[in-house]
Amino acid sequence: QSVLTQPPSVSAAPGQRVTISCSGSNSNIGNNYVFWYQQLPGTAPKLLIYDNNKRPSGIPDRFSGSKSGTSGTLGITGLQTGDEAGYYCGTWDSRLSAGVFGGGTKLTVL
Amino acid sequence: EVQLVESGGGLVQPGGSLRLSCAASGFTFGSFWMHWVRQGPGKGLVWVSRIDTDGSTTTYADSVKGRFTISRDSAKNTLYLQMNSLRAEDTAVYYCARGWGSLIDQWGQGTLVTVSS
Repeated sequence: QSVLTQPPSVSAAPGQRVTISCSGSNSNIGNNYVFWYQQLPGTAPKLLIYDNNKRPSGIPDRFSGSKSGTSGTLGITGLQTGDEAGYYCGTWDSRLSAGVFGGGTKLTVL
Repeated sequence: EVQLVESGGGLVQPGGSLRLSCAASGFTFGSFWMHWVRQGPGKGLVWVSRIDTDGSTTTYADSVKGRFTISRDSAKNTLYLQMNSLRAEDTAVYYCARGWGSLIDQWGQGTLVTVSS
């Protein structure tokens, strides 16, 4: 029952492209920037995308973000086995006055 | 290099208290909002609390409001989370995180809190 809705899992073959959706509302994604985090097994989350579509230094351009209305999307191209991880979207919710995250999406690279 | 190192986690009985600390280095601590985020066993990320640069404004998730208190000591470059009246559902890894814009850009490695009798 996360405020932001993500698919629980996605999968694709190495070298392929995958997208992960993040659905919210006007009080969160609709009026605030979307962030995306990658969490490799047994490690802390790591920032992948901030302000909807910006990549921190060191994040390869295989990772991209976009936002439309009350939804955000993370795209990953040229999938590698090392991309297998949990991916979380997040933003601020102005009505709740709280940070909110999606439930997470587990990416499997077949 | 930004470093956030949490400590203070452990096993505590229901109704007990615990104080988490987060030692920050590699950046100007006093210039950044700071957050706590938790992750239950096998669960997703849950935002807990945030504090502004001088500690004058704090915000909490409804699930911890009235029980947890966030604070900071800029002289020690340290963030704290005082947790009282702990419940089994507070069992989680607690991450200290640096604020960026509306959310977070850097995370600590986490400290495990287990609430059990």
